[in-house]
Amino acid sequence: DAGITQSPRYKITETGRQVTLMCHQTWSHSYMFWYRQDLGHGLRLIYYSAAADITDKGEVPDGYVVSRSKTENFPLTLESATRSQTSVYFCASSDSRDNTEAFFGQGTRLTVV
Amino acid sequence: GNSVTQMEGPVTLSEEAFLTINCTYTATGYPSLFWYVQYPGEGLQLLLKATKADDKGSNKGFEATYRKETTSFHLEKGSVQVSDSAVYFCALRDDKIIFGKGTRLHILP
Repeated sequence: DAGITQSPRYKITETGRQVTLMCHQTWSHSYMFWYRQDLGHGLRLIYYSAAADITDKGEVPDGYVVSRSKTENFPLTLESATRSQTSVYFCASSDSRDNTEAFFGQGTRLTVV
Repeated sequence: GNSVTQMEGPVTLSEEAFLTINCTYTATGYPSLFWYVQYPGEGLQLLLKATKADDKGSNKGFEATYRKETTSFHLEKGSVQVSDSAVYFCALRDDKIIFGKGTRLHILP
């Protein structure tokens, strides 16, 4: 199916475990983004990527790792999950910068216990 | 750096009321501006956009005008419906997309 998909949709993990959230887009968009959404904070950018093998930190990168070996995939890894990383995570992609909008996945609800 | 400020919610209105959600931005240059909408349990979807000063974006009865003089991009709708209940995000685009904190809108029948 065309579009942007995130997996899993829901995840419960324990403190200290490593967990990877997947994001896949079928449009060959150059830009991809990871945001977390928390009540009272809106959407905060974790990492973004302008092209394969290029990644940049956003507003809240600590505790997260990303990679972009292929244009269509942009996985987000929590190296050692903490309770403060309980959140809803959204992946998005965009064709280019400037005046183009981003398309969002359905989100992954992550709970760290 | 660039930033977006939008009015805090929640906003509660009766059906057919007039809606305004304020959004102002701080930016170098003239970035594209967007309004996104998020329905419960879903990701964000584009509602409208404007790419240069004085442009008006519109969609589904919603409108917003890119005002360079006041650095604003306020969202308006003349007559809201219950189905408009959602969270609305103002955003600007430079190399990344910067969002406001969102405004929850609740429409009463």
